[in-house]
Amino acid sequence: SQTIHQWPATLVQPVGSPLSLECTVEGTSNPNLYWYRQAAGRGLQLLFYSVGIGQISSEVPQNLSASRPQDRQFILSSKKLLLSDSGFYLCAWSGGADTGELFFGEGSRLTVL
Amino acid sequence: GQNIDQPTEMTATEGAIVQINCTYQTSGFNGLFWYQQHAGEAPTFLSYNVLDGLEEKGRFSSFLSRSKGYSYLLLKELQMKDSASYLCAVMDSNYQLIWGAGTKLIIKP
Repeated sequence: SQTIHQWPATLVQPVGSPLSLECTVEGTSNPNLYWYRQAAGRGLQLLFYSVGIGQISSEVPQNLSASRPQDRQFILSSKKLLLSDSGFYLCAWSGGADTGELFFGEGSRLTVL
Repeated sequence: GQNIDQPTEMTATEGAIVQINCTYQTSGFNGLFWYQQHAGEAPTFLSYNVLDGLEEKGRFSSFLSRSKGYSYLLLKELQMKDSASYLCAVMDSNYQLIWGAGTKLIIKP
């Protein structure tokens, strides 16, 4: 069966510090991978998606970046965090671009102080 | 622009029935999805509608009217564990998911 895992679950970071969130998927090959952010009272905001190794599409211009160094690994990074980067970050995978059935990781709650 | 509207919060009684509505305006339509999200957790998939009509899955049913840009999620025989947020999402013509802000459902004994 397929599983998805992301970490860390919780982190508190000062403004201007770097960020790295990691996500891995097991039990499937060539998944579509996504990074979402969820702010309180707002819908899920798609940040990045990837259809293959090294292929990253950015949906929102910001100080975040994503990388896919391996087929089942997706990393969200920032060189310098802003207060507005606080939120609940979710990694997800799907079997194809035309399926809306997403499988989410446990989520990572980031607080920037 | 693209827009998904659903009520912010609803309250219902254990054992009762509740209907959560979702209206949408999107660039094209390739299906509507409902997800359940418990507080502090990730969303989990509940249902998918691409044709008009009702899809039933146990205590949960989802209805779609494409001409009206409207869907609802019907929860029967409510249990305390159904307390969660319910997210409506529409896949547009570019196969991108557009998400509503979610409806927080509170179940009272």
